[in-house]
Amino acid sequence: QQQVKQSPQSLIVQKGGIPIINCAYENTAFDYFPWYQQFPGKGPALLIAIRPDVSEKKEGRFTISFNKSAKQFSLHIMDSQPGDSATYFCAASIVGFGNEKLTFGTGTRLTIIP
Amino acid sequence: NAGVTQTPKFQVLKTGQSMTLQCAQDMNHNSMYWYRQDPGMGLRLIYYSASEGTTDKGEVPNGYNVSRLNKREFSLRLESAAPSQTSVYFCASSGRTAGVGSGNTIYFGEGSWLTVV
Repeated sequence: QQQVKQSPQSLIVQKGGIPIINCAYENTAFDYFPWYQQFPGKGPALLIAIRPDVSEKKEGRFTISFNKSAKQFSLHIMDSQPGDSATYFCAASIVGFGNEKLTFGTGTRLTIIP
Repeated sequence: NAGVTQTPKFQVLKTGQSMTLQCAQDMNHNSMYWYRQDPGMGLRLIYYSASEGTTDKGEVPNGYNVSRLNKREFSLRLESAAPSQTSVYFCASSGRTAGVGSGNTIYFGEGSWLTVV
């Protein structure tokens, strides 16, 4: 059962464009939504995260938009660069004390062409 | 600052062989995890450990065992490897992200590529 659905599976965007990756979740108890970035041959690394009390969060060229009523969130990359080419994973979890288990989406392979 | 270190980086096994993937973290985290990554499937949790001395099953635990040796180390064992266990395995640990109300950040190792033939 896929609790976090991610789309598209792959995306090709020209340099300077704004790739958008979408995720939808089912479990309304989720209250922490991070995005991870993974380069080939490396482990995923936290890129940006949002809690459901805000509708948008920006860090540099990366923005998360969050729609609680629709149970959807998305990642936007402004002024995309070839160095942004990577696989992006959305995830969701329930914030608590101690252990937290992230449920990941299936990933989006993003390619930025010069 | 090593973060999460896992070994080996690459391994080829024959069906039925056993092996152990080793993982250590130097961030003093309580929680540690083992994930597998397969094309089109994302990252799926195999086992996790909330603290030293405790382990629990994740989404895909069948065919695996784990040991939380101490706070730093969390190993994953394949007792009788099968071709379906060909995958990239990631060890991870988690600690609180800076900032009020933030969730935990999971820090991943660089992965172990396992092929079972």
